[in-house]
Amino acid sequence: SYELAQPPSVSVSPGQTASITCSGFKLGDRYASWYQQRPGQSPVLVIHQDTKRPSGIPERFSGSNSGNTATLTISGTQATDEADYFCQAWDRSMAVFGGGTKLTVL
Amino acid sequence: EVQLLESGGGLVQPGKSLRLSCAASRFSFSNYSVNWVRQAPGKGLEWVSFISSSGTYKYYADSVKGRFTISRDNSKNSLYLQMNSLRAEDTAVYFCATGSVDDAFDIWGQGTMLTVSS
Repeated sequence: SYELAQPPSVSVSPGQTASITCSGFKLGDRYASWYQQRPGQSPVLVIHQDTKRPSGIPERFSGSNSGNTATLTISGTQATDEADYFCQAWDRSMAVFGGGTKLTVL
Repeated sequence: EVQLLESGGGLVQPGKSLRLSCAASRFSFSNYSVNWVRQAPGKGLEWVSFISSSGTYKYYADSVKGRFTISRDNSKNSLYLQMNSLRAEDTAVYFCATGSVDDAFDIWGQGTMLTVSS
């Protein structure tokens, strides 16, 4: 079965850039999506189709996807960005999520 | 504001059955494919099942195939998940979320908690 791997945790200082990676076999050949989940809340879509931001998502969120790795980049990270982030892709009509990355804003 | 609202969770014994519901409001539900996604306590997200807008196509995770059945009633703007032969490992918050194959999950409900325990 297809798998997506994420680092369990990433730390960043306020105002700095955070990068969260998601690795999977030939992931660049599929669309990658990213979700933000704050404690006790439902996930929120922040990036879809590799690079697109839904309406209402701040410009500091961006995405890329090439080769075996998709990356979520948060520029000028704010304290409110502290959350769990999950990548997701589809494989043969089955959706797959990465294990999630806890972003800590120190 | 568009909304999905899940219901039907609770405490159920192993081996028993339960049906979850998801009610859609303020958008054209019949035009959207919908999914169930679950999250065990303290764990990550796990996709469970997909149903196309008309109900023609249905897909399941291997972990629930043969035990869970997804369905929808577009006249009632509702999505369902019939869960049979429940196991302790099915314990999770169950979310419904719109999204097509090869696309993202863009509208999420608030989730309903299922606990499978004797």
